[in-house]
Amino acid sequence: NAGVMQNPRHLVRRRGQEARLRCSPMKGHSHVYWYRQLPEEGLKFMVYLQKENIIDESGMPKERFSAEFPKEGPSILRIQQVVRGDSAAYFCASSQSTGVLYEQYFGPGTRLTVT
Amino acid sequence: GENVEQHPSTLSVQEGDSAVIKCTYSDSASNYFPWYKQELGKGPQLIIDIRSNVGEKKDQRIAVTLNKTAKHFSLHITETQPEDSAVYFCAASIYDNNDMRFGAGTRLTVKP
Repeated sequence: NAGVMQNPRHLVRRRGQEARLRCSPMKGHSHVYWYRQLPEEGLKFMVYLQKENIIDESGMPKERFSAEFPKEGPSILRIQQVVRGDSAAYFCASSQSTGVLYEQYFGPGTRLTVT
Repeated sequence: GENVEQHPSTLSVQEGDSAVIKCTYSDSASNYFPWYKQELGKGPQLIIDIRSNVGEKKDQRIAVTLNKTAKHFSLHITETQPEDSAVYFCAASIYDNNDMRFGAGTRLTVKP
């Protein structure tokens, strides 16, 4: 059973471009979470999605950031008009269901660099 | 909202010694406290967790203690080995995984 997959692993974008980060959850998992990790900092929750629904986006900036988890295909975190401050590692995690009984499994992350 | 603080930010120990990492949380409603290990270039991996109905949990060389009154919890690693070197994160959650708040991390180095 493959773990959580993220791609690309590294992404370089110039200021003003768009960044698309993909996350394929573990097989059988329908809950996806996105986190951002700045250098030397912990993970900051961004958004929680179930298939076709955004459940909690309280940690996601109101502008330029969006996330989706379609019925088919991976979850996408989209950052429009990137700025240098968006440079970070973005991790997604998946779980079988919600609640503390269900462990979140993390992917390897996408390291975004904005030049 | 919940605020989790973690100390120390870096920790260096000799192989075989013990390592202790401490976290405090602010929301007394938090009832789930996982610890994650993150190796270089990888995502965090859950290593142990504790729920608010117990004060201590142990798994081989790793143990976690929780003091609900003081709102702090700690990770203890005994007989450290070089492969324990990584960044360790604590987290606190109220009742759902999506509400998880992480500490800033502790970079542990175990010297052979």
